[in-house]
Amino acid sequence: NAGVTQTPKFQVLKTGQSMTLQCAQDMNHEYMSWYRQDPGMGLRLIHYSVGAGITDQGEVPNGYNVSRSTTEDFPLRLLSAAPSQTSVYFCASSWTGEHGNSPLHFGNGTRLTVT
Amino acid sequence: QQQVKQSPQSLIVQKGGISIINCAYENTAFDYFPWYQQFPGKGPALLIAIRPDVSEKKEGRFTISFNKSAKQFSLHIMDSQPGDSATYFCAASKGGNNRKLIWGLGTSLAVNP
Repeated sequence: NAGVTQTPKFQVLKTGQSMTLQCAQDMNHEYMSWYRQDPGMGLRLIHYSVGAGITDQGEVPNGYNVSRSTTEDFPLRLLSAAPSQTSVYFCASSWTGEHGNSPLHFGNGTRLTVT
Repeated sequence: QQQVKQSPQSLIVQKGGISIINCAYENTAFDYFPWYQQFPGKGPALLIAIRPDVSEKKEGRFTISFNKSAKQFSLHIMDSQPGDSATYFCAASKGGNNRKLIWGLGTSLAVNP
């Protein structure tokens, strides 16, 4: 199994450009999420989804859009990139269950630089 | 009340020593406390997790100690190895709900050979 696959691994954007970070999982997980990781800030939840067609905002959603048309894919869109969005982005997925979720499975991240 | 405070921010340990990372929480409704390990260039991965019905959980060289009255939990790495060098995150949630997971800020561990 590939697990959680993120593409691209690295990306450089100019301010104002748009792009989509891709995330795919092959574990049939209902729950998918996007985090950003910045030095000294830990992991901050951007958006999440509990199933196809259902998305919701996390802690830091401004400047980002998501959609979930299939169970497998959960792309993150930056509509107009800003230098403050320079970060490492992680996609994570898990089962959801009656007694709580399974552990999060993370991808290996996308390192985004906005100049 | 939603914070998880993790310390230290960084830690240097000699090979064979004990690494100790501490976390404190405020919300007494939290009932799931995982630790994630992150190697450079990789995403975090679950290392070990504990629920408050036990005071300690051990998996190999890794042990979580849990003090419900003090609202603290800690990760102990016995016989630390250079391969343990990584960033460690503690977290907490109610009901194991991943969308409500509150993360510590991480501890960068370096184990010197």
